[in-house]
Amino acid sequence: DSGVTQTPKHLITATGQRVTLRCSPRSGDLSVYWYQQSLDQGLQFLIQYYNGEERAKGNILERFSAQQFPDLHSELNLSSLELGDSALYFCASRPAGNSGNTIYFGEGSWLTVV
Amino acid sequence: AQSVTQLGSHVSVSEGALVLLRCNYSSSVPPYLFWYVQYPNQGLQLLLKYTTGATLVKGINGFEAEFKKSETSFHLTKPSAHMSDAAEYFCAVSSITGANSKLTFGKGITLSVRP
Repeated sequence: DSGVTQTPKHLITATGQRVTLRCSPRSGDLSVYWYQQSLDQGLQFLIQYYNGEERAKGNILERFSAQQFPDLHSELNLSSLELGDSALYFCASRPAGNSGNTIYFGEGSWLTVV
Repeated sequence: AQSVTQLGSHVSVSEGALVLLRCNYSSSVPPYLFWYVQYPNQGLQLLLKYTTGATLVKGINGFEAEFKKSETSFHLTKPSAHMSDAAEYFCAVSSITGANSKLTFGKGITLSVRP
């Protein structure tokens, strides 16, 4: 158990809909990362937050957005869903201080768009 | 920019045989390098990492990797494969430290272990 909690574990929704994925980082971790894993694209970095502020952006679509709240949990919002958005979405967190940049992953949220 | 190349998408070995999973990286600054493992229907688990210091790094489950700067490589090895090693393995690089750091992953290699 990495200590990173993601909900829901599985989600099936229809095209055009909107979903929210939730992540609770490890206790005390200030950085939260979101990654998308799909068969064709592999593991793609989406976005990173540090203590509530966006710090880095990767291949995140405009239909997707994220935020990190004062209690450090994070949400990834996916809207106008398309079939191609079906993927495993990972949240990860990184300890503050000298951790050698190790990030710890949750078990992911499986999103199926039908 | 940083990137990772993992040659081949699938490696199959016999139980007890040597495991060698290749990883080459590109980074404009000294990198931090990682191997993660993903078992079926699970998240990514850190196997080992290289930051600074000793170039031969030992990880969990008997795996080790050697950082070779001249070859820009960080290959993962295990002397004797076990059935439980069957999983997907990801190499990752991070070349920025601090609050803005992020990991860039390779496409992953699926390891199969034959009885």
